[in-house]
Amino acid sequence: NAGVTQTPKFRVLKTGQSMTLLCAQDMNHEYMYWYRQDPGMGLRLIHYSVGEGTTAKGEVPDGYNVSRLKKQNFLLGLESAAPSQTSVYFCASSYAGQLRGQYFGPGTRLTVT
Amino acid sequence: RKEVEQDPGPFNVPEGATVAFNCTYSNSASQSFFWYRQDCRKEPKLLMSVYSSGNEDGRFTAQLNRASQYISLLIRDSKLSDSATYLCVVKMADRGSTLGRLYFGRGTQLTVWP
Repeated sequence: NAGVTQTPKFRVLKTGQSMTLLCAQDMNHEYMYWYRQDPGMGLRLIHYSVGEGTTAKGEVPDGYNVSRLKKQNFLLGLESAAPSQTSVYFCASSYAGQLRGQYFGPGTRLTVT
Repeated sequence: RKEVEQDPGPFNVPEGATVAFNCTYSNSASQSFFWYRQDCRKEPKLLMSVYSSGNEDGRFTAQLNRASQYISLLIRDSKLSDSATYLCVVKMADRGSTLGRLYFGRGTQLTVWP
């Protein structure tokens, strides 16, 4: 049982490049989330999904897109990376209702130069 | 006002000390409460849920005061391995949506020294 995994662990992009971050969970969770964490800002929700084929905007969605084609996967895309998107990105998943909290992946450290 | 507020610390305590963290939240209709722990350069991990009657897990005790919209975490007999950032987390209804989501505090940093 791997829990929540994220690919890649590190990435450096040039401004304007695109990339996709992959999140996978093997706990059969209904809900999945993408956060970014910046120093002094705490965790901020980018997008989330309450089920396969559904996505919704969080607190800071601009510049990002997501897709959830399969229940176990949640993809985060950056179409045209900007230096302001330099951050640590965490994926999380939970049961519907979130009564047991969320389970996080190990994070992706992204630097945009 | 931020939805979940915590004293950022840092708290620096010797091994064996008792330390308490506090957290306040903005929405009186909040539904669920948690404490998470985050080690340096790692992901947040669930430490414990917080129940209305208060609950204990070994050296950790969590309390909830709904009337004051206040949550606390007490750590007794601190260990070096307790050094981390502790995040207060509250489930609240999302603006414009019936879906409750988790709101994370910015965390309180704890360092336990020998």
